[in-house]
Amino acid sequence: SQQGEEDPQALSIQEGENATMNCSYKTSINNLQWYRQNSGRGLVHLILIRSNEREKHSGRLRVTLDTSKKSSSLLITASRAADTASYFCATVMFSGGYNKLIFGAGTRLAVHP
Amino acid sequence: NAGVTQTPKFQVLKTGQSMTLQCAQDMNHEYMSWYRQDPGMGLRLIHYSVGAGITDQGEVPNGYNVSRSTTEDFPLRLLSAAPSQTSVYFCASSYLPGQGIREQYFGPGTRLTVT
Repeated sequence: SQQGEEDPQALSIQEGENATMNCSYKTSINNLQWYRQNSGRGLVHLILIRSNEREKHSGRLRVTLDTSKKSSSLLITASRAADTASYFCATVMFSGGYNKLIFGAGTRLAVHP
Repeated sequence: NAGVTQTPKFQVLKTGQSMTLQCAQDMNHEYMSWYRQDPGMGLRLIHYSVGAGITDQGEVPNGYNVSRSTTEDFPLRLLSAAPSQTSVYFCASSYLPGQGIREQYFGPGTRLTVT
């Protein structure tokens, strides 16, 4: 099964509201990353948080990491219709002698005007 | 910089055929990887490489081969296509500093249909 699992699987909100997505993972990580994917497109990196960091901000994005609970959250404040996309967390784990990046199943966010 | 390029964009194969999906990057990234994405799902790691001559298996390696003869190129070979390999395939690359994989840059994807 996949390393990261996002919750909820789908989220529908109105413009201006905040959107919170959660990610849980199973094993120790080096860092955790969040990506965005617009329909039919490749993924775009949003933010990276290292295992020794607890919170990080980038514009309207806020990411938290709780390594004791093996979980992370992505908060998008004052959402816009253009934020409609799928959001994925990905964890860097060390396995078999190398680091590798494993993705979760994603949260589909719909922001309605 | 062209970033990460993938060819072809679309491909239809018959069961049993073989083919190679091409991936190239011009950012001198050490780490390159192949993922497949099935409808409504996340990305699953097929194979990855941490440098020229070094590859390793990901979560779903069966039916696929890779090689990394240069830093720039990381082709994915389907040995004998099966309908279960119908998917969108993404190639990605990133730096690989001592503290782990950095942000990955993704190619536009290859949509593969196996009939």
